[in-house]
Amino acid sequence: GAVVSQHPSWVICKSGTSVKIECRSLDFQATTMFWYRQFPKQSLMLMATSNEGSKATYEQGVEKDKFLINHASLTLSTLTVTSAHPEDSSFYICSAEGLAGASYEQYFGPGTRLTVT
Amino acid sequence: EDQVTQSPEALRLQEGESSSLNCSYTVSGLRGLFWYRQDPGKGPEFLFTLYSAGEEKEKERLKATLTKKESFLHITAPKPEDSATYLCAVNNFNKFYFGSGTKLNVKP
Repeated sequence: GAVVSQHPSWVICKSGTSVKIECRSLDFQATTMFWYRQFPKQSLMLMATSNEGSKATYEQGVEKDKFLINHASLTLSTLTVTSAHPEDSSFYICSAEGLAGASYEQYFGPGTRLTVT
Repeated sequence: EDQVTQSPEALRLQEGESSSLNCSYTVSGLRGLFWYRQDPGKGPEFLFTLYSAGEEKEKERLKATLTKKESFLHITAPKPEDSATYLCAVNNFNKFYFGSGTKLNVKP
């Protein structure tokens, strides 16, 4: 079935540095990829939507210059957290939307735990 | 405004005690309603997609149903391994809206 991978699964970085997270759809081509953020005991918060070859659409309140999204191909999207600060520490999850039969389904990656010290 | 509300927030069941989780939604147009299971520290795992009122889908001990205003996730004779947070989401042809989830705890 449809598999989405994320790398790394966890990362610790120092304040002020940048971190890149990769999201790959392994066995299907993703028309659209999504990036979410999840705080402890809370639901998913959509950060941005990206389509291959075009600029990402950011949700209200999400800083596009801080969270850089690149959707290089139909199987790869990256999220770069620039000049990370402790408040950026969170669980980041990507998802990919792909055609499953006659309909589109959304499949999630395993998530990346970011800790900024 | 499009939104999704899940209830209850938390549910504790004894093993074998069947119950239902609710997902109420208001949306301008429904492309699909999705159920996911999420274990702590992991990404959501896809369970079902429902597209129209009256549709039902089953998988092992889980059965999802859909009306024009809400969806239910029925859990029959749950086991401890069914313990997780269950998320509901709707797609209005533009974006996904997630509920806050129901945390299910099944005790042996």
